[in-house]
Amino acid sequence: AQSVTQPDIHITVSEGASLELRCNYSYGATPYLFWYVQSPGQGLQLLLKYFSGDTLVQGIKGFEAEFKRSQSSFNLRKPSVHWSDAAEYFCAVGGLTGGGNKLTFGTGTQLKVEL
Amino acid sequence: DVKVTQSSRYLVKRTGEKVFLECVQDMDHENMFWYRQDPGLGLRLIYFSYDVKMKEKGDIPEGYSVSREKKERFSLILESASTNQTSMYLCASSFAAGGNNEQFFGPGTRLTVL
Repeated sequence: AQSVTQPDIHITVSEGASLELRCNYSYGATPYLFWYVQSPGQGLQLLLKYFSGDTLVQGIKGFEAEFKRSQSSFNLRKPSVHWSDAAEYFCAVGGLTGGGNKLTFGTGTQLKVEL
Repeated sequence: DVKVTQSSRYLVKRTGEKVFLECVQDMDHENMFWYRQDPGLGLRLIYFSYDVKMKEKGDIPEGYSVSREKKERFSLILESASTNQTSMYLCASSFAAGGNNEQFFGPGTRLTVL
């Protein structure tokens, strides 16, 4: 069965500091990996996705993520955080086997940005 | 842009009531999904549908049913609402074929059962 672990429930960073949110996955085949962001009171918006090819993926709002197969990780990074990045971030895994088009989400990381 | 809309942003119901949550998407997506979101638990899949009149149970289907009579509309039904179904409910849709398909989410319905 596929699963996703986001080990950090809450993270606080200062505006302008760099950010890394951790995501580890378990999947029996080639995974498809996603990062979503949820602003307060809103639905989820896709930040970026990895299917194949270059392991460093660029997304919207200046975010990037790196797929590391050997570590089963897909960590999200941003060089300089803005106050508007305060939100909840979800990592998700999907694939062609064992679930068709379903995604499995992590429990989320709440990001607080200090001014 | 893909748009997924949900019938209500906030809903308050009483224990034992039958509750309908409606979701509509405008991009001719084959797949539609219902999740519930609770603090510390992330998103958990309740049901999904890959075609009209087709449905499959997700991870937590107990106490819920769904209906998909038209391709663009997917309804979640709480036959007899209970307080432990107080939650945020999110609908999503995606194209068919393959796990690499992005899911597009609606804004959510925050349901309170008293």
